[in-house]
Amino acid sequence: GDSVTQMEGPVTLSEEAFLTINCTYTATGYPSLFWYVQYPGEGLQLLLKATKADDKGSNKGFEATYRKETTSFHLEKGSVQVSDSAVYFCALRRDSGGSNYKLTFGKGTLLTVNP
Amino acid sequence: NAGVTQTPKFQVLKTGQSMTLQCAQDMNHEYMSWYRQDPGMGLRLIHYSVGAGITDQGEVPNGYNVSRSTTEDFPLRLLSAAPSQTSVYFCASSRPQGQTEAFFGQGTRLTVV
Repeated sequence: GDSVTQMEGPVTLSEEAFLTINCTYTATGYPSLFWYVQYPGEGLQLLLKATKADDKGSNKGFEATYRKETTSFHLEKGSVQVSDSAVYFCALRRDSGGSNYKLTFGKGTLLTVNP
Repeated sequence: NAGVTQTPKFQVLKTGQSMTLQCAQDMNHEYMSWYRQDPGMGLRLIHYSVGAGITDQGEVPNGYNVSRSTTEDFPLRLLSAAPSQTSVYFCASSRPQGQTEAFFGQGTRLTVV
């Protein structure tokens, strides 16, 4: 079945540090890939997405590139801020075969950014 | 815009009690889903619906019932609460076509004692 593996946290960085959160996936076909963010006490919000190989999703300074050859979708940000402290979830959705109602999530990575 | 609204935000139940978690969306989305979030487990799909009158089981359906009588509402029922159902519950909605995103509610934090 489908699965998503993302790096274990927690991750603690200083402000303005470079961030990478690794995400790899297993799925048949050509899934869409997502990064969701969960700020403390809130629900999940879509951070960025990519729907086909070599697409780059970007938002709020975060980027991730859909790499089919390595089945990866790593999240990066060049300079993190305290306000980026949150839990980040990598997820996939198969958009064919009647499965496009379902997101498959990684376990989440807690990021803490210190001033 | 309200988006996806879940009630209540917090709930404490005693073992064996029943309750209903409410979820409503105002975006006319066909797809709605319930997930539970547990530490170190990510989000796991409980039940989902692809339209009014149609529901099906996800990965972890045991102990939960759902129904979908309208497009807007998708309540989740706990029939006889158990401590293993202590979790944070999220409702999500989306459109079926294209590569559209899922919208999530704020979550319900449930504790079963």
